[in-house]
Amino acid sequence: DADVTQTPRNRITKTGKRIMLECSQTKGHDRMYWYRQDPGLGLRLIYYSFDVKDINKGEISDGYSVSRQAQAKFSLSLESAIPNQTALYFCATSDPRGRRTTGELFFGEGSRLTVL
Amino acid sequence: ELKVEQNPLFLSMQEGKNYTIYCNYSTTSDRLYWYRQDPGKSLESLFVLLSNGAVKQEGRLMASLDTKARLSTLHITAAVHDLSATYFCAVDKGQGGSEKLVFGKGTKLTVNP
Repeated sequence: DADVTQTPRNRITKTGKRIMLECSQTKGHDRMYWYRQDPGLGLRLIYYSFDVKDINKGEISDGYSVSRQAQAKFSLSLESAIPNQTALYFCATSDPRGRRTTGELFFGEGSRLTVL
Repeated sequence: ELKVEQNPLFLSMQEGKNYTIYCNYSTTSDRLYWYRQDPGKSLESLFVLLSNGAVKQEGRLMASLDTKARLSTLHITAAVHDLSATYFCAVDKGQGGSEKLVFGKGTKLTVNP
């Protein structure tokens, strides 16, 4: 089983609908992230959370909200989806603790969202 | 604002050839990461470079970091078809390892027989 699990993996929806993408992890990491990937643009940070009580906006947070329900769960919501939110969404985790931490991110398998 | 630029964005090469992908970034950072992504798949961590002069090698890939030049390179030696993928570099924009990474746009590598 994957250490970072995203659901759904694929979703097609219509403009104006509310969508939630969920992420759960078994790595025991405190830090969780949501990134968006668009062709030719790389990955851009939407929101990140360094612990359950800490939520921060990334570079493209408009139109999105998040909830950190537990250390292991971090969900991304689109309150009213629009077509330019069609993209591949990745959840990631990292662990800053310990002297040997590298800061690298560990990614889920991705959630492909299409907004018609 | 931290900007990360990769070049080339597209690279088509023959098996057996060597090539280098470049990653430039605009502000001071001492943490740089290389990831590989196969089509429709997740990102897989390849290298973590945590200091000036760091060099890491895995198989036919070698990555290096020059923090003074704000430049990292990913060198491919004697390319094989299995290396076909998109390669991303990412730079930590914070201090002391904040893990808020800024990604380049990626280099799509195609290795032809």
